[in-house]
Amino acid sequence: ETGVTQTPRHLVMGMTNKKSLKCEQHLGHNAMYWYKQSAKKPLELMFVYNFKEQTENNSVPSRFSPECPNSSHLFLHLHTLQPEDSALYLCASSQVSGGEGYEQYFGPGTRLTVT
Amino acid sequence: SQQGEEDPQALSIQEGENATMNCSYKTSINNLQWYRQNSGRGLVHLILIRSNEREKHSGRLRVTLDTSKKSSSLLITASRAADTASYFCAITTGVGGTSYGKLTFGQGTILTVHP
Repeated sequence: ETGVTQTPRHLVMGMTNKKSLKCEQHLGHNAMYWYKQSAKKPLELMFVYNFKEQTENNSVPSRFSPECPNSSHLFLHLHTLQPEDSALYLCASSQVSGGEGYEQYFGPGTRLTVT
Repeated sequence: SQQGEEDPQALSIQEGENATMNCSYKTSINNLQWYRQNSGRGLVHLILIRSNEREKHSGRLRVTLDTSKKSSSLLITASRAADTASYFCAITTGVGGTSYGKLTFGQGTILTVHP
């Protein structure tokens, strides 16, 4: 275990549903990330939070809405998704970077299927 | 694109053989990291090598970095069936506090080790 947990592990939702993904880290880190991993594509960074503040939104559609209530928890709220949004969604955490970059610790992911 | 690009895309070897994977990138970096991912799971950090380092070792892993060629290699010695996974390189870039540890991943190398 990496110290980063994600729930649920699997999610099937219709295009009109609203659901949320949850991530929690027990490592004392101050930066948290959402990534999307689709088949045959590189891992795509979606959002970055540092000390609860969003510092990066990588042109993600508004149907994905992140929330970071504190440095240990990160949510991804989903609504009116499209079938192409089906993917593995990974959460990660790290120390805050001072420009050098630190290793990131990943959760096991949520396998999302949009029907 | 400044992302790391791995080569080969897939590698199949016998247990006990060495496995070498390469990563190329296009921009100046702060550091380069290697991650491993078992099928459908989260990524696990393996090694971080800084831009002023040329080689690092961790157990059966050896990573080299050639910043003049903008390339890195990951060598796994005496491979085991349990090493079967996807391996990704990721780069961090940016100056000062602006990068916030942002990682840019390559597409990965799928390694299969046959018992």
